[in-house]
Amino acid sequence: KAGVTQTPRYLIKTRGQQVTLSCSPISGHRSVSWYQQTPGQGLQFLFEYFSETQRNKGNFPGRFSGRQFSNSRSEMNVSTLELGDSALYLCASSPGGVDSPLHFGNGTRLTVT
Amino acid sequence: QKEVEQNSGPLSVPEGAIASLNCTYSDRGSQSFFWYRQYSGKSPELIMSIYSNGDKEDGRFTAQLNKASQYVSLLIRDSQPSDSATYLCAVTFTGANNLFFGTGTRLTVIP
Repeated sequence: KAGVTQTPRYLIKTRGQQVTLSCSPISGHRSVSWYQQTPGQGLQFLFEYFSETQRNKGNFPGRFSGRQFSNSRSEMNVSTLELGDSALYLCASSPGGVDSPLHFGNGTRLTVT
Repeated sequence: QKEVEQNSGPLSVPEGAIASLNCTYSDRGSQSFFWYRQYSGKSPELIMSIYSNGDKEDGRFTAQLNKASQYVSLLIRDSQPSDSATYLCAVTFTGANNLFFGTGTRLTVIP
């Protein structure tokens, strides 16, 4: 079974721009979660989608948004980029139950200059 | 406040020793607990899941859960240099469908 696929692997953007990250979950997984990882803050939860509906949202500003398509693929968008948005963005999928472990993709490394 | 706390380390152990990694969490109602390993520059990978009090063994890894003390640990027996990584504890909290992660403990196994 193919794992979670994230594209692109690396991105360099300038302040004020916007960016879209993509995630394809493991086949059959209906839940997709997004996390931001920085050296100082660790893994911070952004949001989780299940069957095209956002079920949970973390404490991030409205500049961070996401969506999920009918094939469970998900995208995350960050508008008006700030320097502090530089981080590793991780997507993870699971079958969707609350007890299900997450399976992570390789991440997208975003650098904002 | 939903919190998962880990000693950030670094924790250094000699090759062949037992490494003990600890995690405490704030929600007495938590039901699901996971340990992930993250190598430098890589994404987290699942090592163990545990849902009931007691020990769960998988090869050289043993997860221990004590819900009364709100404590979960990971023991790595016969530690190898390839075990050198950051170990993340993750917990589900009551009423939330997402995993909360600790900041991780960096383990170094010295040959």
